[in-house]
Amino acid sequence: AQSVTQLGSHVSVSEGALVLLRCNYSSSVPPYLFWYVQYPNQGLQLLLKYTSAATLVKGINGFEAEFKKSETSFHLTKPSAHMSDAAEYFCAVSEAGGEKLTFGTGTRLTIIP
Amino acid sequence: DAGITQSPRHKVTETGTPVTLRCHQTENHRYMYWYRQDPGHGLRLIHYSYGVKDTDKGEVSDGYSVSRSKTEDFLLTLESATSSQTSVYFCATGTNSYNEQFFGPGTRLTVL
Repeated sequence: AQSVTQLGSHVSVSEGALVLLRCNYSSSVPPYLFWYVQYPNQGLQLLLKYTSAATLVKGINGFEAEFKKSETSFHLTKPSAHMSDAAEYFCAVSEAGGEKLTFGTGTRLTIIP
Repeated sequence: DAGITQSPRHKVTETGTPVTLRCHQTENHRYMYWYRQDPGHGLRLIHYSYGVKDTDKGEVSDGYSVSRSKTEDFLLTLESATSSQTSVYFCATGTNSYNEQFFGPGTRLTVL
């Protein structure tokens, strides 16, 4: 069975500071990994995905994530936070050949002016 | 954006009444999913479909049923709504490509 753990349900960073949102996964087979973002009163939008190609994945809005198999992690980073980054972020895992995603419980990111 | 719409977007109903939520897609994606989103729980899968008339249960399927008679439509029914089913419901679609999913705007359901 696959699972995802997001450390920190709430994260606050100052505008211009580094954003780091943590995601650890478990999977019995090589995983596909995703980060989604949800702005208030909207659906989820894909930020980036890891599909067993490059371990460093670049996404939209300046975000990137690195797949580390030895640490079973897929942390999301952005060098410099912007006010528009305030949202909830979800990490998700899928198994190759599977049909479903398993989501973490989400991390709400607040940007301090 | 995979061209996914959900209706209604907001609904208030009373305990014990039946409720049907509709998801409509225009992308001809094979897979369709229903999730509920609750604080502290993230998104939890209710039911999903892997083709017309082909559906399967998710992790929180009790009290819900689904139907898919056409590729583009996936209905979620609460046979007898309870207050514990107050939630935001999201529909998603997917292809065979890495299980990436595309989400609709959500339906906020309140059961009084």
